[in-house]
Amino acid sequence: GAGVSQSPSNKVTEKGKDVELRCDPISGHTALYWYRQSLGQGLEFLIYFQGNSAPDKSGLPSDRFSAERTGGSVSTLTIQRTQQEDSAVYLCASSLIGVSSNEKLFFGSGTQLSVL
Amino acid sequence: AQSVAQPEDQVNVAEGNPLTVKCTYSVSGNPYLFWYVQYPNRGLQFLLKYITGDNLVKGSYGFEAEFNKSQTSFHLKKPSALVSDSALYFCAVIYNQGGKLIFGQGTELSVKP
Repeated sequence: GAGVSQSPSNKVTEKGKDVELRCDPISGHTALYWYRQSLGQGLEFLIYFQGNSAPDKSGLPSDRFSAERTGGSVSTLTIQRTQQEDSAVYLCASSLIGVSSNEKLFFGSGTQLSVL
Repeated sequence: AQSVAQPEDQVNVAEGNPLTVKCTYSVSGNPYLFWYVQYPNRGLQFLLKYITGDNLVKGSYGFEAEFNKSQTSFHLKKPSALVSDSALYFCAVIYNQGGKLIFGQGTELSVKP
């Protein structure tokens, strides 16, 4: 596609429910990244994929968070048993090769998650 | 610890005046440094990067940044601010070359007419 696409753009859920956030990277980009943006917290790294594998999962806040990427394209970030502190904007980005090449990242518009 | 810091939450500048948005880093080895900008209701966009070479890096929209190894800084600058430059600016550093991109807390730039 023309850019990184994220869906839904907004998600309101109740505490304890599971949510799935989707990211469709730019076609041909092998690297995909998830970040979380909270008020006053800046951008927090969650996970990144090189192809379908995730070399670095160190940013996932807890075992309620998981992510997968299939076919080297679309990625899904799943949050189980959501908590109010999970409320944030979840940003996805992609790049052609990966961070080791020092490329710039292309970001999607994000998913605003609100946990009531 | 590997980190990047933006000491100012907000910077206010009058249109036409020069602007500086500060960034300092702490990372082992040679840092790869970036600036990104987030305009209201839009995704983050790449502005510029420093990998190696000249310490003064020029980027999009007339912005530039100066890499200062002794002060471990990478401040973003523009000689003459525009109202349309008002946005949230993020400094970022690649952690341990080949690893993840770490972002600072962000600085809100407000340019008034």
